[in-house]
Amino acid sequence: GAVVSQHPSRVICKSGTSVKIECRSLDFQATTMFWYRQFPKQSLMLMATSNEGSKATYEQGVEKDKFLINHASLTLSTLTVTSAHPEDSSFYICSAGAGGAFFGQGTRLTVV
Amino acid sequence: KQEVTQIPAALSVPEGENLVLNCSFTDSAIYNLQWFRQDPGKGLTSLLLIQSSQREQTSGRLNASLDKSSGRSTLYIAASQPGDSATYLCAVRSDNYGQNFVFGPGTRLSVLP
Repeated sequence: GAVVSQHPSRVICKSGTSVKIECRSLDFQATTMFWYRQFPKQSLMLMATSNEGSKATYEQGVEKDKFLINHASLTLSTLTVTSAHPEDSSFYICSAGAGGAFFGQGTRLTVV
Repeated sequence: KQEVTQIPAALSVPEGENLVLNCSFTDSAIYNLQWFRQDPGKGLTSLLLIQSSQREQTSGRLNASLDKSSGRSTLYIAASQPGDSATYLCAVRSDNYGQNFVFGPGTRLSVLP
């Protein structure tokens, strides 16, 4: 089946720094990728839809200047959390392919 | 707006029991529905994907059914094992709300040895 690879799986960063998370489709091209966020003891919520070659579409309440999404190729989308704060600590996961049915392994971000 | 709910929120059973997890969605115009497993601190493992035209899917001890018209899906786990302990998420992709999945809150399952 289709494979989506996400990196890193875990990251700890200091408050005020930026963190980049990569999402790659390994064996297929993805014009659209999806980024989700999961706060502790909550379910996954869509943050944004990443579109190759154009601007991402953000869900209501998600700050586009804080969560920068770049989808520069058909196999790679990146999510950069800028000026991270402890409240950004969360589990971030991407999906792609066949209507976003294939998920990456997720990234657990801890901001200290 | 599509909303997904799951019942029960948590379930604790002795090993060997057969069990049913329930998922409901508000808009029946779905493209497909997927059941996932999430272990603590880990990512998602896809268990079963049911297309809107299908009634059920089976994989090993797992069986998922879909009743699109009533907005319901069930995940049946036969002969549960301690290794089945995890959170089970139901997610729906709608026809009307883009290509992303809308997730339910999950059912936290504990299977006791």
